Amino acid sequence: AQSVTQLDSQVPVFEEAPVELRCNYSSSVSVYLFWYVQYPNQGLQLLLKYLSGSTLVKGINGFEAEFNKSQTSFHLRKPSVHISDTAEYFCAVSDRLAAGNKLTFGGGTRVLVKP
Amino acid sequence: SAVISQKPSRDICQRGTSLTIQCQVDSQVTMMFWYRQQPGQSLTLIATANQGSEATYESGFVIDKFPISRPNLTFSTLTVSNMSPEDSSIYLCSVLAVNTGELFFGEGSRLTVL
Repeated sequence: AQSVTQLDSQVPVFEEAPVELRCNYSSSVSVYLFWYVQYPNQGLQLLLKYLSGSTLVKGINGFEAEFNKSQTSFHLRKPSVHISDTAEYFCAVSDRLAAGNKLTFGGGTRVLVKP
Repeated sequence: SAVISQKPSRDICQRGTSLTIQCQVDSQVTMMFWYRQQPGQSLTLIATANQGSEATYESGFVIDKFPISRPNLTFSTLTVSNMSPEDSSIYLCSVLAVNTGELFFGEGSRLTVL
């Protein structure tokens, strides 16, 4: 079974500074990778996904992530954050070869953007 | 994309009672999932609900506690039975876009059990 580790449970960052959220997953032959964002008191919204092709994936709201197969990582980055980026971010992995396409979520990283 | 509506959005329940959460999708989908998000925690899959078959439960979740119905391709319910304070969580319905592997989520149902 897959496991997903988000190394930072909380990341404080100043407005307009860059941010990187780390995500590592357990090894698998082939995976789908996702980042979701959860704003306060809301459901989850997809930020970006990696299915195949280019390892650098661009998503909504200026976020991007890079798939690194050798390091089994899928770190999320944004070069300049806004106050509105304050939210919880979840990395998720799906094993392509497993039946059911179930997603396994990481523990989440809470981003707090300070003015 | 899919638009998912959940009812209720939140509720406060008494210990020992049961509550049924409804999930309505604006398009026909094969695979629906129910997740639980305990306070300050990540999402944990409860079960997969496919139309026309019994739900498949993950380890640690049983049908007697979380019965699920899936009467058609646009609707599902999750019941939280004989609730205790430990069941206080957000319960989320999600559907799978088979071609992209993406999950779409409802807004969640926030349950507080006293």
